[in-house]
Amino acid sequence: ETGVTQSPTHLIKTRGQQVTLRCSSQSGHNTVSWYQQALGQGPQFIFQYYREEENGRGNFPPRFSGLQFPNYSSELNVNALELDDSALYLCASSSTGAFLAKNIQYFGAGTRLSVL
Amino acid sequence: DAKTTQPTSMDCAEGRAANLPCNHSTISGNEYVYWYRQIHSQGPQYIIHGLKNNETNEMASLIITEDRKSSTLILPHATLRDTAVYYCIVRGDNYGQNFVFGPGTRLSVLP
Repeated sequence: ETGVTQSPTHLIKTRGQQVTLRCSSQSGHNTVSWYQQALGQGPQFIFQYYREEENGRGNFPPRFSGLQFPNYSSELNVNALELDDSALYLCASSSTGAFLAKNIQYFGAGTRLSVL
Repeated sequence: DAKTTQPTSMDCAEGRAANLPCNHSTISGNEYVYWYRQIHSQGPQYIIHGLKNNETNEMASLIITEDRKSSTLILPHATLRDTAVYYCIVRGDNYGQNFVFGPGTRLSVLP
């Protein structure tokens, strides 16, 4: 149990729709990262939020966007859903500080998104 | 792209030590080696990490070669619940760095 919670656990959408996924970070953590994991592959980094600002982004189009709130929770928004967006979306929380490399990321159980 | 290479799959008998290798020949001086595992349909679970010294915790041991170009994760007494995909990741300590996951090693612990 990592203390990172994601909602919903499963979601079904149709192509072209928009979706919002939510993540509550572990107590004491100020940084949230989002990953996409397609079936049979390792997680791929989407972006990270620190102090309510995007702090790094992977190779994902602008229709993937996010927010971080003052309580450090976060949302991932995906517009104009495509079939290839079907995946497990993972949220990870960590604490950004003086020793960044030691700031381990703790993952939630993920949201399984199916786009039909 | 991931900076590590791992075998696609491995088997291990229950109760025996599982030794999972990882090559990271291009690792930089400020990059740590992390190990995570992912049990089916769950989020990745942190196992252990290290810079250059060998590390041990309640879950596993991490052995890093002197030149730091490879490492081995050791699960001393594997159980059926250790069946999972194991990811070896290198990551630096620069601001905004994140984990780059490869396909990992699928470990099957056999009864």
